[in-house]
Amino acid sequence: QITLKESGPTLVKPTQTLTLTCTFSGFSLSTSGVGVGWIRQPPGKALDWLALIFWDDDERYSPSLKSRLTITKDTSKNQVVLTMTNMDPVDTATYYCARCLRDAYYYYYMDVWGKGTTVTVSS
Amino acid sequence: DIQMTQSPSSLSASVGDRVTITCRASQSISSYLNWYQQKPAKAPKLLIYAASSLQSGVPSRFSGSGSGTDFTLTISSLQPEDFATYYCQQSQEFGQGTKVEIK
Repeated sequence: QITLKESGPTLVKPTQTLTLTCTFSGFSLSTSGVGVGWIRQPPGKALDWLALIFWDDDERYSPSLKSRLTITKDTSKNQVVLTMTNMDPVDTATYYCARCLRDAYYYYYMDVWGKGTTVTVSS
Repeated sequence: DIQMTQSPSSLSASVGDRVTITCRASQSISSYLNWYQQKPAKAPKLLIYAASSLQSGVPSRFSGSGSGTDFTLTISSLQPEDFATYYCQQSQEFGQGTKVEIK
C-alpha cells in the first residue's frame, strides 16, 4: 500500500521560512521513474503546482515561485522536504505531496496523494 | 509557459446525465494531459493520465480523449458520487477547475 503524509507547522508568521516534510511508504525514491511533488490549494481556489523531485535528482520548480522554493530528498528516510522562504498571508493554503511517475519522455502524472496539511500565514 | 483553460467553470447536471468537460492548452502538448477529481476537503484523485488512459480502480464511466491542444473528460452516466471538482493538468500547470453540481 502506498501512502504519503505531510507534516509541518500549521501557523507561520509573515517573512518566516516554511519547512514541510512528506514521509512516504510503499515505494522508493531510488526507483527509476519515481518522484515526489508538492501542490498547494488556497482556500476555495484551484490547485497550484509547486515543485517536484525525481529519483535521479531531477528537480522542477514553479517558475513564479522558483526563487523561494527548495526541494530535497532523503531516500534512506523515505522523505521529501520542501522549504518556502519569505512566507506571506497569500501563501495560506492546504499543501499536498504526491507520488509522481515519469516516463522516458519526461511526461509525468501524480497517482497517489497525501491528505494534505493546512498552513496559515498570519502575525 | 503553457496555460491550461477549462470550460465550463461549473455545470449543473442530474444523475444519469452525460457530462463533458473541456481543457485547452495554449500550445500543443501531444497527449501529455491528466485529469483529477477532488471532493470537498479531500485530496485530488487521479482519474485519467496520458489523455485517455484510465487509472486503475476508476469506474469505466469516466473517459478521456484528445491530443494536441484540445482535450475532453466525459462521464457517461453521472452518479451521485461524481459531484465534485475536476482539474486537468499538464506538467507544471493545472486548469482552474470545473465544479459539477447537482441540478
